[in-house]
Amino acid sequence: GAVVSQHPSRVICKSGTSVKIECRSLDFQATTMFWYRQFPKQSLMLMATSNEGSKATYEQGVEKDKFLINHASLTLSTLTVTSAHPEDSSFYICSARETGANTGELFFGEGSRLTVL
Amino acid sequence: AQSVAQPEDQVNVAEGNPLTVKCTYSVSGNPYLFWYVQYPNRGLQFLLKYITGDNLVKGSYGFEAEFNKSQTSFHLKKPSALVSDSALYFCAVSLGVNTNAGKSTFGDGTTLTVKP
Repeated sequence: GAVVSQHPSRVICKSGTSVKIECRSLDFQATTMFWYRQFPKQSLMLMATSNEGSKATYEQGVEKDKFLINHASLTLSTLTVTSAHPEDSSFYICSARETGANTGELFFGEGSRLTVL
Repeated sequence: AQSVAQPEDQVNVAEGNPLTVKCTYSVSGNPYLFWYVQYPNRGLQFLLKYITGDNLVKGSYGFEAEFNKSQTSFHLKKPSALVSDSALYFCAVSLGVNTNAGKSTFGDGTTLTVKP
């Protein structure tokens, strides 16, 4: 099956620093990737849709300057949390849809747990 | 707008008993319906989907789901639960696979606990 690798799985940083999370589709191409945030015992909150070669589409209420998304190739999207603060601590998950596949299912990364001290 | 409801936050069953995790949806058009499972501190794994065809869909790990258009439901079922099935289950709906139309809407999740 299609595999999505997300790195790092855990990161601890100091307040004010920036953190980059990578999402890679290992054995397929993904024109579209999605970034989510998940709070404990809660559902996925879609943050943005990442489109290869163009600007990401952010959901209402998500600060684009705070959460920078880059989708420079068909297999890699990155999420950078800039000037992180403790309230940014969360579990961030990416997903990808295979380019050209007409089936619709999403393939998820393993998630990245960010802790901002 | 599309939406998904998972009316139960928690489902508890005994090992060996059948399980059902409920999902209803609202969408203007023909739905693409999905079930995903999430184990603690992990990403989501795809279980099964309904696009078209037979209303009863079989998926991974012995799970199945039945699409009911009149009741706008897509309940997840398994004839005999295992302790290892204990996890968080998400139902999702989308209207297609194009970039924005294919954006999936997820339910709030149902925690399934199977007791030995």
